[in-house]
Amino acid sequence: AQSVTQLGSHVSVSEGALVLLRCNYSSSVPPYLFWYVQYPNQGLQLLLKYTSAATLVKGINGFEAEFKKSETSFHLTKPSAHMSDAAEYFCAVTDAFNQAGTALIFGKGTTLSVSS
Amino acid sequence: EAGVAQSPRYKIIEKRQSVAFWCNPISGHATLYWYQQILGQGPKLLIQFQNNGVVDDSQLPKDRFSAERLKGVDSTLKIQPAKLEDSAVYLCASSFVGGREDTQYFGPGTRLTVL
Repeated sequence: AQSVTQLGSHVSVSEGALVLLRCNYSSSVPPYLFWYVQYPNQGLQLLLKYTSAATLVKGINGFEAEFKKSETSFHLTKPSAHMSDAAEYFCAVTDAFNQAGTALIFGKGTTLSVSS
Repeated sequence: EAGVAQSPRYKIIEKRQSVAFWCNPISGHATLYWYQQILGQGPKLLIQFQNNGVVDDSQLPKDRFSAERLKGVDSTLKIQPAKLEDSAVYLCASSFVGGREDTQYFGPGTRLTVL
């Protein structure tokens, strides 16, 4: 079965510092990969997705992620953190082995804290 | 355009009681998903509908959970009877076609507490 691993359940950065959130996936077929953000008491909002068009994917709010097949990784980065980036971030992959449906398989999430 | 709507936003019940959640997807979206998000974990699929038919309910605890999507639009998820371990946020999502690359749009969720 496919799976997603997010290294680090909690990441803390200073405002203006680089944000790096790690995601590794397991899949024997080309995956579709997603990053979602969840603010407190809200649903998930798509930041960006990889659908094999380009390995470097740019998303909203200045975030981007690079698909590296050799490393089975899809890490999320942002050059300069802002206080408003504090939230929980989820990496997800579409379950290619599920012949029936197209559900997302999520990692456990990484909470990003930003200090001034 | 309006997003995915869910109600209620919060619900507190005693164990063994029943509860129902409602979801209205984005207009025109054929695919509707219900996910369960337990505190500290990522969402996990409960059921997927394509129009008004069930596509995947392999992870739905069918002895207590049921869901329907009448007329291929709104959907209701029911738990009867509830257990303590059902305490979670129940998220509804929809997508236009339901392909593996399609974006799933999520509602704000219903936070269920079972006492």
